[in-house]
Amino acid sequence: GQNIDQPTEMTATEGAIVQINCTYQTSGFNGLFWYQQHAGEAPTFLSYNVLDGLEEKGRFSSFLSRSKGYSYLLLKELQMKDSASYLCAVRGEYNQGGKLIFGQGTELSVKP
Amino acid sequence: GAVVSQHPSRVICKSGTSVKIECRSLDFQATTMFWYRQFPKQSLMLMATSNEGSKATYEQGVEKDKFLINHASLTLSTLTVTSAHPEDSSFYICSAMGGDYNEQFFGPGTRLTVL
Repeated sequence: GQNIDQPTEMTATEGAIVQINCTYQTSGFNGLFWYQQHAGEAPTFLSYNVLDGLEEKGRFSSFLSRSKGYSYLLLKELQMKDSASYLCAVRGEYNQGGKLIFGQGTELSVKP
Repeated sequence: GAVVSQHPSRVICKSGTSVKIECRSLDFQATTMFWYRQFPKQSLMLMATSNEGSKATYEQGVEKDKFLINHASLTLSTLTVTSAHPEDSSFYICSAMGGDYNEQFFGPGTRLTVL
């Protein structure tokens, strides 16, 4: 079966660092994505990992360990506008046509 | 990044009517489009995968006769919700994938309310 777990909610302070974890158990693996979604809007792409290690992009970094079925998204220098839902998504085997399986999302609240 | 549009952005209809939602890739050719549904406070649930010129592949539990998908060209896919009921009220989001296998580009979503 397919299972992707994330914490439901997190709260952090403006200017701080927050780490959002994601664990997955899927029938195949061909990449892990992180998306940001503000209420009532479509998800926007943040990062993509297919090999183990850390990918850094500005204030956002994402880490992947395939052997542990684990990823995290790290947000530095938090801003109020970072308050949003963060979605972890796994792409299955290549022959599944690229479809993504999403976790339930982590609602992040950034407080002043 | 690539741009995907959806139309309409918001629709209210009466129970029993059908609603068509369009998804367009504006600046690239999308070999594959995906349709998702999202209920409040929940994540995206994949409904079906749509490939140009072939029948859509539906996820388990999604009624193909109720949610009709047509992918007539490399830039357009449509989702028709037939005989809509209040429980079909949701946020419907499409995404498109082109030659670059690494990323799906999401449309802005369509808010459907069935009275």
